[in-house]
Amino acid sequence: DIQLTQSPSSLSASVGDTVTITCQANENIYNYLNWYQQKPGRAPKLLIYDASNLETGVPSRFSGSGSGTDFTFTISSLQPEDIATFYCQQYGDPPYSFGQGTKVEIK
Amino acid sequence: EVQLLESGGGLVQPGGSLRLACAASGFTFSSYAMSWVRQSPGKGLEWVSSISGSGGSTFSADSVRGRFSISRDNSKNTLYLQINSLRDEDMAVYYCAKEVGARTMGFFHFWGQGTLVTVSS
Repeated sequence: DIQLTQSPSSLSASVGDTVTITCQANENIYNYLNWYQQKPGRAPKLLIYDASNLETGVPSRFSGSGSGTDFTFTISSLQPEDIATFYCQQYGDPPYSFGQGTKVEIK
Repeated sequence: EVQLLESGGGLVQPGGSLRLACAASGFTFSSYAMSWVRQSPGKGLEWVSSISGSGGSTFSADSVRGRFSISRDNSKNTLYLQINSLRDEDMAVYYCAKEVGARTMGFFHFWGQGTLVTVSS
């Protein structure tokens, strides 16, 4: 089964900062990786698909990159409304797996 | 507008059973695979089961295989999850999710708001 190691588990940054989260797979998953945002008490929301494609309607300050086993998620200018937990997730063949999540807070 | 509305959650004793439902609207239900994903209190996300648009293909996580059963009624635009032999570790919010095509891929494009299953004696 494919395991995803996401880091850090939490971070605190100031408004306007650039925030970077990494996700590493234990085998090649090509670009079959999505990133989701989950705000407290809410359902997850797809932000980035196929590692680097921005979902329709998602602000352009969110971006993703990588392929194979190493992936990066970036918020280029952190906003107060971005407070949430972010998850990477691999898809393609089951079992589908998620990273452990990164909780982003405002400093 | 795509809408997914889960129901059927509640308090169940260990060893008990429950059937969750997810009513879909705003898209051609039979054209899309659907999945269930759960989240234990304060924990991360865990894929549970997926079913193809036709219902002819299903997959489940090892942790639930043999106890949980996913199904769908395309005439009612509804997805189901039959949960049997409930364990403490099954306590979670259960989300249904719409995929991007008829084949199951684990690509969770849109999520419902979830229904809480509580396991307690």
